[in-house]
Amino acid sequence: EAGVTQSPTHLIKTRGQQVTLRCSPISGHTSVYWYQQALGLGLQFLLWYDEGEERNRGNFPPRFSGRQFPNYSSELNVNALELEDSALYLCASSLGGTNEKLFFGSGTQLSVL
Amino acid sequence: GQQVMQIPQYQHVQEGEDFTTYCNSSTTLSNIQWYKQRPGGHPVFLIQLVKSGEVKKQKRLTFQFGEAKKNSSLHITATQTTDVGTYFCAGPGNSGYALNFGKGTSLLVTP
Repeated sequence: EAGVTQSPTHLIKTRGQQVTLRCSPISGHTSVYWYQQALGLGLQFLLWYDEGEERNRGNFPPRFSGRQFPNYSSELNVNALELEDSALYLCASSLGGTNEKLFFGSGTQLSVL
Repeated sequence: GQQVMQIPQYQHVQEGEDFTTYCNSSTTLSNIQWYKQRPGGHPVFLIQLVKSGEVKKQKRLTFQFGEAKKNSSLHITATQTTDVGTYFCAGPGNSGYALNFGKGTSLLVTP
């Protein structure tokens, strides 16, 4: 069974540009979560989608947005990139609900120059 | 909002020594989860604790959930080089909130 897949694996952008990251959850999982892992800051919660709806949002500015498609895959969009957006962006999926364990993808490493 | 704090931030041990990381929440948790992230890898689920005072073991790893369900610990007996990585605890936020992760404890084991 395929795990959580993310694309691209690496990305280099310049300040002010926009980026779209993609995530495909494990088959049967309806919840998708996005986390930012910047150096030394642990995993910072960004967004949670379940059944196509945004369920919760972390403490990030509005230029971080996303959506979940009918097939439960998800996109994370970041507009007006800033240098401090450089990080590993991890997507995770679960069966749904706050007590379910998360299965993480390998992440997208974003570098903003 | 609910926060999860972890200590220590780093730990360097000799192979064979024991290791413990501690996790504390500002609020009572319905459950706590532990994840391990190897260098260059992604977090992988280890275990979930649900009951007050619960203790679970996985080979050399022992996980505990405090009586008040506000703290937890992970203890590794006789560390091995394969234990290297960052260990995260995570708890659900208030109802409807996704998992909040601690900043993790990075374990380095030297042979």
